[in-house]
Amino acid sequence: DADVTQTPRNRITKTGKRIMLECSQTKGHDRMYWYRQDPGLGLRLIYYSFDVKDINKGEISDGYSVSRQAQAKFSLSLESAIPNQTALYFCATSPASYNEQFFGPGTRLTVL
Amino acid sequence: AQSVTQPDIHITVSEGASLELRCNYSYGATPYLFWYVQSPGQGLQLLLKYFSGDTLVQGIKGFEAEFKRSQSSFNLRKPSVHWSDAAEYFCAVGATDDKIIFGKGTRLHILP
Repeated sequence: DADVTQTPRNRITKTGKRIMLECSQTKGHDRMYWYRQDPGLGLRLIYYSFDVKDINKGEISDGYSVSRQAQAKFSLSLESAIPNQTALYFCATSPASYNEQFFGPGTRLTVL
Repeated sequence: AQSVTQPDIHITVSEGASLELRCNYSYGATPYLFWYVQSPGQGLQLLLKYFSGDTLVQGIKGFEAEFKRSQSSFNLRKPSVHWSDAAEYFCAVGATDDKIIFGKGTRLHILP
């Protein structure tokens, strides 16, 4: 079984809809991250969390919100989706500072 | 501010040829450096990492990288590429606040 899972894997939605992307991990890591990948732009950090009570904004948090429901679960929400949020979204976990991050398989989101 | 530059957006090599992917970083202290690979439709997988010690780092799948402080570089090498190495490669540096900053990626194409 995969250590970091993301649901859904693909989603097509319309402008203005609320969308939630979910991430679960069985690695027991405290640190979790949400990234967005766009062609030619690499990965950009949206939000990150070091534990259930610690949530931090990343480079591009506008238009997004997150919830850390438990150590193992970290959800990303788009309150009112817009077309330029069409991208590939990755969740990642890490055991400690500056350590390797373990990535989920990604969610491909299309906003029409 | 910390940053990572991958000068080559695309690289094409013949199967069996040697490979070098370039990475330059900007960071004031001793950096934590990573190379990740993303195969089509997949998440990112760590190839290798440098934290300290020997500046030549061995990774998975026959890859190695050399940390050169004087050149602020961490180039990835492989002596003989296989068709299965076709993927996108990301260099990354551990930054302040326990984040990792990714380069924009280099897409590797393999000619038969």
